[in-house]
Order: sequence, then structure tokens, then C-alpha cells
Amino acid sequence: GENVEQHPSTLSVQEGDSAVIKCTYSDSASNYFPWYKQELGKGPQLIIDIRSNVGEKKDQRIAVTLNKTAKHFSLHITETQPEDSAVYFCAASIGRNGNNRLAFGKGNQVVVIP
Amino acid sequence: KAGVTQTPRYLIKTRGQQVTLSCSPISGHRSVSWYQQTPGQGLQFLFEYFSETQRNKGNFPGRFSGRQFSNSRSEMNVSTLELGDSALYLCASSSGVGGSPLHFGNGTRLTVT
Repeated sequence: GENVEQHPSTLSVQEGDSAVIKCTYSDSASNYFPWYKQELGKGPQLIIDIRSNVGEKKDQRIAVTLNKTAKHFSLHITETQPEDSAVYFCAASIGRNGNNRLAFGKGNQVVVIP
Repeated sequence: KAGVTQTPRYLIKTRGQQVTLSCSPISGHRSVSWYQQTPGQGLQFLFEYFSETQRNKGNFPGRFSGRQFSNSRSEMNVSTLELGDSALYLCASSSGVGGSPLHFGNGTRLTVT
């Protein structure tokens, strides 16, 4: 299967607090997991990605964790700022290496309250 | 480097017509993928082209087709438009190596009336 489930669908946080978005995937062959941020009127922007041989990756205020056994991965945003308000999508590669096809979650609307 | 460029940004078409969307990838990228984004279905994979060949195809009817030119630019065509084809069509480019990051353009908003 090629399902990627994303929860919660909407998340409101106070500025300065942390936000966590969780995703699960079903394809055991998935080995690449990117996260995208989409602002109104724009295309999705890659913000961080992780490969299956790594359990955690961090880039400033953003971190991603991966649990291959449980087939879930999470995005963590610390010290949230108003400009973090956007829709966030998780994705998982489909099939074996050499394949650029991604299956996306339905997206998560994050609202940072000043 | 310039990003992924999609033209036009907006299109309004009538049922039964056909439409062609264009995508210029990031310089040096050889893979171009197309996705359809709708509020109900989210981002759905249409197809991927690499070195002028279709490498992957999603579960869309044959009315949706594409091609890639020798300079890696790509076009997507939808024939016999239906109301349900109204969506944001996104193009993404990458180096083409498996698991390489996809970089999206800002999309073409297609409205079918």
C-alpha cells in the first residue's frame, strides 16, 4: 500500500511553544521521508528530510524523528514563530531506490498565535 | 539558481476542452514530476519524466499525459476536461537519483467550468 496518514489535521500553538506533527506510512520499502511547508499561493517548500538509515535529524528549530519498526515519523518545531504558520505535509518514498515517487499525507494546518 | 518555473499561473477552461501546462526545472535537474493538489485528495502523483522518458505513472486516466524535452523542460496535457480536473497542478524537479529531494514550483491553478 501507499498510504501516508498525518495527524492532527489542525494544530494551534502559542508563539514560543513547540509543535509536533506525526505521520505513519504503510510501504515497507519507503526509505526517504521529506517534510514540506506550503504557504498560501505557493508550492510546497522542502524544509527537512530524513533517510531510513538515520533515526533523527535536526536543523535549527526543526527536527524530524523516524521509527522504522513502527513506521512512523514526526516533525518537531521548537520556539514557534508567527511565520511558522502554514500547512505542513509529510511524505514517504514509494518503492525501492531509483524511484522519485512520493506519497503525501493530507497536510496539517499549523497556526501560531502571537 | 532559479527555482522551478510553471506557466501559466492561472487557467480557466470549459468542460471538454484540452489544456497544456508547462514546467521549467532547476538548471541541471533531469527529473520532472507532476502532482495534482485538491482540498479533498491532497497531493496525488501523476507521473515522472527522466531524460525524456516516463519513468513512473500514477493512477490517473489516459486523458492526463506528459512529455519531457531534451532540455528537461516538461509539459503536461489534459484532454476532454472535466469539472473534477479543477485543481492546483504542481511540478517538481530533482536530480533524478532515487530519494533525491523534490523541489516544487508554485503551480498552475486550473479551473474547469
